[in-house]
Amino acid sequence: QVQLQESGPGLVKPSETLSLTCSVSGASISSYYWSWIRQSPAKGLEWIGYIHSRGSNNYNPSLKSRVTISLDTSNNLFSLKLTSVTAADTAIYYCATYDNSGVNYWGQGALVTVSS
Amino acid sequence: DIQMTQSPSSLSASVGDRVTITCRASQSIANYLNWYQQKPGKAPRRLMFAASGLQSGVPSRFSGSGSGTDFTLTISSLRPEDSATYFCQQSYSMPPTFGQGTKVEIK
Repeated sequence: QVQLQESGPGLVKPSETLSLTCSVSGASISSYYWSWIRQSPAKGLEWIGYIHSRGSNNYNPSLKSRVTISLDTSNNLFSLKLTSVTAADTAIYYCATYDNSGVNYWGQGALVTVSS
Repeated sequence: DIQMTQSPSSLSASVGDRVTITCRASQSIANYLNWYQQKPGKAPRRLMFAASGLQSGVPSRFSGSGSGTDFTLTISSLRPEDSATYFCQQSYSMPPTFGQGTKVEIK
């Protein structure tokens, strides 16, 4: 059973960088496409992007200029960085697996608030 | 991006009722349509994949149908634990996009 757990600051100042980590257990980081998805009242569920250990990644064009998703195969985790955040980036951030059947495994979610 | 539109936005039904939720894509997505259930404070949970594939462990009262642009999720006999918000999601093209959700309440 794949289990995912997000961690990171719950409060980020405007214009700074949001950084989250997802710890993976029950599966090798070399499997699956590892994704980030966020949810806010304003935008609903929004897919941020994915990365695969073979080196492929794909980002939502709406966020592409600000997003980096990376893998840490040594520690079986992956990370999200979102730069130049504004209040519009306030959301619950989920790490997840993704394939063309959608999202099978989700983390519990991490609320990130952008505020000074 | 492919736009996903669900209807209704919310509904209230009685235990035992048959409930149908509709999802429409802005262009054809073949059968690359997935459904999720989300309860308050929890992550979404996949119910259906590829329009009509039932996720392991999901009760058989849930079913899905459709192809192209029009899809439905049906709960054949509503139970109290089905009170939740339901989302559709297309996995036909990047970026994956979600519907806005349908909130199901029990009368």
